Amino acid sequence: AQSVTQLDSHVSVSEGTPVLLRCNYSSSYSPSLFWYVQHPNKGLQLLLKYTSAATLVKGINGFEAEFKKSETSFHLTKPSAHMSDAAEYFCVVSVYHGGATNKLIFGTGTLLAVQP
Amino acid sequence: DARVTQTPRHKVTEMGQEVTMRCQPILGHNTVFWYRQTMMQGLELLAYFRNRAPLDDSGMPKDRFSAEMPDATLATLKIQPSEPRDSAVYFCASGLQSVMDYSEAFFGQGTRLTVV
Repeated sequence: AQSVTQLDSHVSVSEGTPVLLRCNYSSSYSPSLFWYVQHPNKGLQLLLKYTSAATLVKGINGFEAEFKKSETSFHLTKPSAHMSDAAEYFCVVSVYHGGATNKLIFGTGTLLAVQP
Repeated sequence: DARVTQTPRHKVTEMGQEVTMRCQPILGHNTVFWYRQTMMQGLELLAYFRNRAPLDDSGMPKDRFSAEMPDATLATLKIQPSEPRDSAVYFCASGLQSVMDYSEAFFGQGTRLTVV
């Protein structure tokens, strides 16, 4: 069965330091993977997506993620954290559901805190 | 600026009352998802539709929840009768998917439901 695991429920970094949010996936098929961000009391916004093209994917706000098939990982990184990055981040796998359908399965989320 | 529109944004109701949440997907999108978000369970997929046909509603309590798409511009999620444990934020998302394109979903701002 397809699933996604976010290894840290909370991550705290200082402003200006690198961010690493970890995600591992399990999929019987070639997966499509996404990272979404949710700011407090807001909806979910797509940060980036991987769909079997380049393994290093660049997203909005300076974030990027690297697809590593050998490690079944899709970690999210940013070289330098900004206060506005404080939010909850969700790793998502697209699950083949038969025919021309697929559904998005969300991880449990990682809450990123950025200290001044 | 195309976006998914959900109404109402907030709803407070008494236990036993019927609740209807509405979603207008992005024009041209063929897939609509309903998710529920709570602190305890995170983001749960309740149901999703492809070309207005329900594909998977296994995540939805069948006895009290129902989801429909009366037309391509409207998706509804109904709870009857509502219970306090239904209190959550309900998100609608839409996307454009085909066999070979695992595209992302675009989320609305959510409906925050409180059942007292």
